Amino acid sequence: EIVLTQSPATLSLSPGERATLSCGASQSISSSYLAWYQQKPGLAPRLLIYDASSRATGIPDRFSGSGSGTDFTLTISRLEPEDFAVYYCQQYGRSPYTFGQGTKLEIK
Amino acid sequence: QVQLQHWGAGLLNPSETLSLTCEVSGGSFSAYYWTWIRQPPGKGLEWIGEINHSGATNYNPSLKSRVTISVDTSKNQFSLKLTSVTAADTAVYYCASARRYTDGEWNYFFGYWGQGTQVTVSS
Repeated sequence: EIVLTQSPATLSLSPGERATLSCGASQSISSSYLAWYQQKPGLAPRLLIYDASSRATGIPDRFSGSGSGTDFTLTISRLEPEDFAVYYCQQYGRSPYTFGQGTKLEIK
Repeated sequence: QVQLQHWGAGLLNPSETLSLTCEVSGGSFSAYYWTWIRQPPGKGLEWIGEINHSGATNYNPSLKSRVTISVDTSKNQFSLKLTSVTAADTAVYYCASARRYTDGEWNYFFGYWGQGTQVTVSS
């Protein structure tokens, strides 16, 4: 199965700053079938980005995704207070679909 | 807007069978594949398997011997059964969309999620 490694495990930033989250895959992900989710305590994950760079409906344009092959990035251009949460990447290019271990974005 | 609501027993003894059902509303049930995903306490997400409206399934090999996902299109519902549970199966279980049929083709889309159901396995 494809193993996804997210870095850093924890990212401490202030509102207004730029956040860059990374997701590395153990094998190349076909068709850039990679998604990013945001999860807040007690809630289901919320789809932010699919197919590596497509924003889901209703997601603010400060969220952007990029990358291909084995290296992918989620960028939040200017952090808002509501952006502090845990972020997961997921690949669905090869079954079983797998998730990264998460990056916790916390307020500095 | 597609909405998912699921239910099932929240407390199980070891060796029992976990059973959850998810009901879909607000969209065309047959235009999606549906999936189950779980999250152990304090940990990340694990994909369990998926099903389409015809009943074709795809399971995670790590759980395949114990998992059955089924569908009831007359009720817009799909279900999860996991046999011989242990404490390691304690998790929040989510139902979600997995693919959708748009513009004449299937595309992956994990955009709709249920609220999550806590399942605890303990003697």
